[in-house]
Amino acid sequence: GAGVSQSPSNKVTEKGKDVELRCDPISGHTALYWYRQSLGQGLEFLIYFQGNSAPDKSGLPSDRFSAERTGGSVSTLTIQRTQQEDSAVYLCASSASGTHSSGNTIYFGEGSWLTVV
Amino acid sequence: AQSVAQPEDQVNVAEGNPLTVKCTYSVSGNPYLFWYVQYPNRGLQFLLKYITGDNLVKGSYGFEAEFNKSQTSFHLKKPSALVSDSALYFCAVRVANDYKLSFGAGTTVTVRA
Repeated sequence: GAGVSQSPSNKVTEKGKDVELRCDPISGHTALYWYRQSLGQGLEFLIYFQGNSAPDKSGLPSDRFSAERTGGSVSTLTIQRTQQEDSAVYLCASSASGTHSSGNTIYFGEGSWLTVV
Repeated sequence: AQSVAQPEDQVNVAEGNPLTVKCTYSVSGNPYLFWYVQYPNRGLQFLLKYITGDNLVKGSYGFEAEFNKSQTSFHLKKPSALVSDSALYFCAVRVANDYKLSFGAGTTVTVRA
């Protein structure tokens, strides 16, 4: 597509429920990122996928968070047993490549706005 | 480790006046520097980047930024601000052979009519 597409754009869920957030990167982009933006925390790196390599999961805040990328394209971020502190904007981004082209621009989607009540 | 500092939480200017948003960075190696803008309830939009070459880079919406290696700064500027420039601005950095983009805390710009 023309840009990074994320769904849902808004999600309100009850504490303890699981949620899935979807990201469709720019066509042809091999690198995909998830970031979290919450009040008072700024932009926080969560996870990185590059092609068929093992993902960098070092930013995932707890084992309730997981992500996968199927077929090197669409990615899903799953939060299990949601807590109120998970309320944030989850931003997906993609770029043409990762490590060896660090000058490449990372393009962000509009975000999935998650509220846990 | 790499880091970015945006020393001002807020910047307020009158429409038509120059706008500057400050950014300093700390990296080991050569930095690749980026500016993004976030309008209310929207995602991040890319404005401009410095990779190499000319220290003055021009980007979208009339913005420009100057890379200063000795001061480790990459300030964002616009000669004449518009009310529509009111938004949250993020500076970001990464280094060669790294994929992580590290962000500053953001600066809220308010341009009054």
